[in-house]
Amino acid sequence: GESVGLHLPTLSVQEGDNSIINCAYSNSASDYFIWYKQESGKGPQFIIDIRSNMDKRQGQRVTVLLNKTVKHLSLQIAATQPGDSAVYFCAEISHNAGGTSYGKLTFGQGTILTVHP
Amino acid sequence: DTEVTQTPKHLVMGMTNKKSLKCEQHMGHRAMYWYKQKAKKPPELMFVYSYEKLSINESVPSRFSPECPNSSLLNLHLHALQPEDSALYLCASSQDAGRGYGYTFGSGTRLTVV
Repeated sequence: GESVGLHLPTLSVQEGDNSIINCAYSNSASDYFIWYKQESGKGPQFIIDIRSNMDKRQGQRVTVLLNKTVKHLSLQIAATQPGDSAVYFCAEISHNAGGTSYGKLTFGQGTILTVHP
Repeated sequence: DTEVTQTPKHLVMGMTNKKSLKCEQHMGHRAMYWYKQKAKKPPELMFVYSYEKLSINESVPSRFSPECPNSSLLNLHLHALQPEDSALYLCASSQDAGRGYGYTFGSGTRLTVV
């Protein structure tokens, strides 16, 4: 579920390490998922997406894994760099009871990633 | 062009002012969105426009009035706002509202209501 408090989960890593950011979702009707990176003062920046008919998708230095059985999504960042420091959000496209999406993105609470040189 | 452009980047307004936020995209996307983001929180949906028609209003107070003049432009008219309306206002677009592919955000307008 969503965090109610002001404190986002945090992940601190050393430069060059691999990072794994996790996200749980609740809507079993969601069929499209996106990971965003948000730097301070900026809008969310698209990183990678995955459709529900896949369980893994790779991009440049990033991999998204989807486990529909347990409604879990993860973002793996290889060889993390200081420029990767940001808040990372997972998001899902919500559907209404009839299975129609109106394009509403539902965001997870976010994770603060800090990469130390 | 793969961007969503928002203006202004920063806006300070009094509670009696009327102002407008603007959003533009030239990706041929037919769905456009307004989100509100408070500090340390994820973005929250306000409005969805699909093919230039308002399709979702997430129970937003009437002091926020959206407008979609054409498929590339989205405005948010502000009037009689409250200090608690201070936030980052994000515009987004996607290929269509049905599947949301290509969901792209602008950099936002940082709004401060005094």
